[in-house]
Amino acid sequence: AQSVSQHNHHVILSEAASLELGCNYSYGGTVNLFWYVQYPGQHLQLLLKYFSGDPLVKGIKGFEAEFIKSKFSFNLRKPSVQWSDTAEYFCAVIAISGGYQKVTFGTGTKLQVIP
Amino acid sequence: DTEVTQTPKHLVMGMTNKKSLKCEQHMGHRAMYWYKQKAKKPPELMFVYSYEKLSINESVPSRFSPECPNSSLLNLHLHALQPEDSALYLCASSQANGVPYGYTFGSGTRLTVV
Repeated sequence: AQSVSQHNHHVILSEAASLELGCNYSYGGTVNLFWYVQYPGQHLQLLLKYFSGDPLVKGIKGFEAEFIKSKFSFNLRKPSVQWSDTAEYFCAVIAISGGYQKVTFGTGTKLQVIP
Repeated sequence: DTEVTQTPKHLVMGMTNKKSLKCEQHMGHRAMYWYKQKAKKPPELMFVYSYEKLSINESVPSRFSPECPNSSLLNLHLHALQPEDSALYLCASSQANGVPYGYTFGSGTRLTVV
């Protein structure tokens, strides 16, 4: 069975600081990884996804993530955060089974950006 | 159309009421999902439908009853809910097989049980 660990539960940064959120996964099959963001009171939005190819993936709003197979990691990064990045961030792994695709989410990291 | 549409966006219901949540997609996806998300927690899978057949029921209480009337629609029928069932209910759809390029979540229905 697949699992996802997000070690940082709550991160507080000042505006313009750099961000790195950790994500480690456990899955024996082909790895498909997502990062989602959820702003307060809102629904999930896809930030970026990795299926194959270039391990450095660029997403929306200046976010990027690097897939490091040897470390089973898919960390999310942003060079300079803004107050509007305050949100909950979820890493997820997708397992493809017979006829469906099962998403397993990490526990989430709450990012608070201080102006 | 690349969206999953959920209605209603908000629902308040009493513990004796019967209501239904609706989910619709027109991307040709043959797998559809219901998730439940409590505040400050990740979404948790409830049900999976593949080719209009129930594939996974994650031990969900029978007061939640899913239905997939056709390949574009997914319903969640609610009856005799408890206040602890208050949550954001998310629908998602995807291809049944292959790389999950198009895995898509709806905006959710925020349910309050009073």
